[in-house]
Amino acid sequence: GQNIDQPTEMTATEGAIVQINCTYQTSGFNGLFWYQQHAGEAPTFLSYNVLDGLEEKGRFSSFLSRSKGYSYLLLKELQMKDSASYLCAVREEGGNNRKLIWGLGTSLAVNP
Amino acid sequence: DSGVTQTPKHLITATGQRVTLRCSPRSGDLSVYWYQQSLDQGLQFLIQYYNGEERAKGNILERFSAQQFPDLHSELNLSSLELGDSALYFCASSPGQGTYEQYFGPGTRLTVT
Repeated sequence: GQNIDQPTEMTATEGAIVQINCTYQTSGFNGLFWYQQHAGEAPTFLSYNVLDGLEEKGRFSSFLSRSKGYSYLLLKELQMKDSASYLCAVREEGGNNRKLIWGLGTSLAVNP
Repeated sequence: DSGVTQTPKHLITATGQRVTLRCSPRSGDLSVYWYQQSLDQGLQFLIQYYNGEERAKGNILERFSAQQFPDLHSELNLSSLELGDSALYFCASSPGQGTYEQYFGPGTRLTVT
């Protein structure tokens, strides 16, 4: 079956580093996405991993291990505006059906 | 601003009614995706259209239907509405059909009373 797991909530302090984990069990894996969503707003794209390893983009980095079905999003130098929900999504590819399977999101609260 | 527009922003209607949500993708994007997001279910993929044709189907109810028009805008029709249909409905677009980065619209908040 298809399953994506992320912690429901996390709390961190301004200026610190936080790692948000995502594990997945899907068929026909063809890439993993991280999106950020502020409350009541649309998700916005953060990162995409299709090969194993670390992708760095400013304060945000994303890691993928396909053999372990595991990814994490690393947020450095946390700012108050980073308080949001972080969604992990996996792209399946099987037959004619290519779609994203979404996790429920991790709600991150950044405290002063 | 992602470049994706959705109307209306808010919609309040009664059970049993029918509504139509509208989406205009980013200029040049051929794929349109519809999602439903409720507090307990997270983001649920409903359906994807690519250049006017249905491309992928997710957890879309039979009471719901969608289409993409020649000008690439899309409409999501929700009928026989139930209280449980209350949710945020997002439209997203991408250039191709292979679900690369998706650009989300601001969403339509539907409240069924």
